Amino acid sequence: DIQMTQFPSTLSAFVGDRVTITCRASQSISNRLAWYQQKPEKAPKLLLYKASSLQSGVPPRFSGGGSGAEFTLTITSLQPDDFATYYCQQYKTYPITFGQGTRLEIK
Amino acid sequence: EVHLVESGGGLVQPGGSLRLSCAASPFPFSNYAMTWVRQAPGKGLEWVSAISGSTGNTYYADSVKGRFTISRDNSQNTLYLQMDSLRAEDTAIYYCAKHDSLYDIPYYFDSLGQGTRVTVSS
Repeated sequence: DIQMTQFPSTLSAFVGDRVTITCRASQSISNRLAWYQQKPEKAPKLLLYKASSLQSGVPPRFSGGGSGAEFTLTITSLQPDDFATYYCQQYKTYPITFGQGTRLEIK
Repeated sequence: EVHLVESGGGLVQPGGSLRLSCAASPFPFSNYAMTWVRQAPGKGLEWVSAISGSTGNTYYADSVKGRFTISRDNSQNTLYLQMDSLRAEDTAIYYCAKHDSLYDIPYYFDSLGQGTRVTVSS
């Protein structure tokens, strides 16, 4: 199975800050990586796929990068609505696996 | 806009069974693979099972293999998850999710339902 490791597990930031979350795969997954945002008591929402492609309707302050085994999610100019938990997901092979999540908190 | 509505969750004793359903609309359901993802209380996301669109090929996480069965009724636009021999560690919110692909390969999920809660406890 491909293990996905996200860091940091918790991140504190101010509104307006730029933050980066990293996701590392235990083996190369090419660009078969997605990012989701989840707010409390809500279903996850797709933000990016194919490592860097923005899902329709997602603000352009979200961006993704990387390929192979290391990936990043960057949020520029944090908005109050962005404080949530973020997950990466690989879809190179079954079983599909997720990172353990990064909780983004308001400082 | 894709609409996925899960149902069938509830409280069940260890060793019991439960069948979850996911009603899907308004997209060509039979063309798309579907998945179940779960989230234990206070924990992260865990992929559970997937089923392809037309061929019905199925895939399972090791943690549920042999106990859970995924199926679909394309005539009713409905996805199912039959859960047998339930354990306390199966307690979670279960989400159904649509793959953003017409192919029988692992993929990301462009839509997820609001989830149904399953509690396994005596």
